[in-house]
Order: sequence, then C-alpha cells, then structure tokens
Amino acid sequence: EVQLVESGGGLVQPGGSLRLSCAASGFAFSSYWMTWVRQAPGKGLEWVANIKLDGSDQYYVDSVKGRFTISRDNAKNSLFLQMNSLRAEDTAVYYCARDSSTNNWSLFFDYWGQGTLVTVSS
Amino acid sequence: DIQMTQSPSTLSASVGDRVTITCRASQSISSWLAWYQQKPGKAPKLLIYEASSLESGVPSSFSGGGSGTEFTLTISSLRPDDFATYYCQQYANYPRTFGQGTKVEFK
Repeated sequence: EVQLVESGGGLVQPGGSLRLSCAASGFAFSSYWMTWVRQAPGKGLEWVANIKLDGSDQYYVDSVKGRFTISRDNAKNSLFLQMNSLRAEDTAVYYCARDSSTNNWSLFFDYWGQGTLVTVSS
Repeated sequence: DIQMTQSPSTLSASVGDRVTITCRASQSISSWLAWYQQKPGKAPKLLIYEASSLESGVPSSFSGGGSGTEFTLTISSLRPDDFATYYCQQYANYPRTFGQGTKVEFK
C-alpha cells in the first residue's frame, strides 16, 4: 500500500524557515517524480514544486522560486521542502504527492499524503 | 502560465442527478488534464487522467471528456458520497495549474 506521511509543519514567524519532510513507503520511491501541492485555508489547490526521479531536475511556481528548495533522499525514501523567507501568504496545508510518471516528464498526482499545516504569523 | 477556469463554482444537486462540470484552459493542453475530488479536511483523490481515463477503483459513474481547451467531468447519477469539491489540473506546461474548484452541494 502506497503511503505518504508529511511532517515538519508548524507556526513560524514571517521571514523564518521551515523544513517539511515526506516519508514514502509501499512503492519504488526512486522510480517516481514527486511533488508538493499546497492549499491555503478555505482556498483551492496550488502546485508548489516537483522533482525528477533522481533529483536532477526541479521545477517551482514563481511565487516560491528562490525561497523554497525541493529535494529528495532516495536511499531513505524521503522528500523534502526547505522553505526560507516565509511570508504570511505561504500559510497553507502542504501536501506531498506522488507523480504517476516514471520517466522524463511529470504527469498527474496519483497518491497524496494527509498534509501538514504551515502557519506564518507573528 | 496556463489559466484553468472551472464552471460553475458551486453546483446544487440531488442524489440521482446527472451533473457536469466544465474546465477551460487558456491555451491548448491536448489531453493533459486530470480531475480530483476533495472532501473537507482530506487530501485530494485522483478521479480522471488524460482527460478521459478513469483511475482504478473510481466508480464508472464518473467520466471525463474533451481535449484542447475545453473539458468536462460528468457524474451520471450522483451518490451521497459524491458531494465534494472537484478540481481540474493541467500537466501540459509548467507551472502545473489547477482550476479554482467546483463545490457540489446538496440542493
């Protein structure tokens, strides 16, 4: 059974940093693209970033470029999101999701974690 | 960026109704479109990919159609478990973008 479990969320002050983790199990982690998607309270879904199978390529939404870094540790079946210079508008539930793709182009998201809440406030 | 626009934003319906949600892309995305269902406090769930392919385990009452810039998600007969919010998402270009969501509520 595919499982994705996020951790690392919490309350942080504006300008602060936070590192989210996603522990994956039940599938060959190193064979799939992985993605972070967020959802602000009461709002819709927003794709944040994704990373290729071997970590060699990463893509970001413009609003987080230069502040967030997605990475993965295939030996530990783990996905990460390092978030720096956090702003109030980054407040959201952050979901880790598996991309269905096992090749060079990412596709849709077939499994999701339960999410972790990040609150940016003074 | 490719803008995804869903209509309606809210849909009031009854059990047994046939409902259709429309998603329009600001430029052609071929068939690179997915649909997700989300219930309050839960993670989204994949329903449809490549515009019309049904994800394994999803009831056949769900169907997707369209290509290019206009797409539909149809529920042929609404069940109590189907009252939720639905999102379309394009994966033709970066950044990946979602529609704003359509909430299907009890009439």
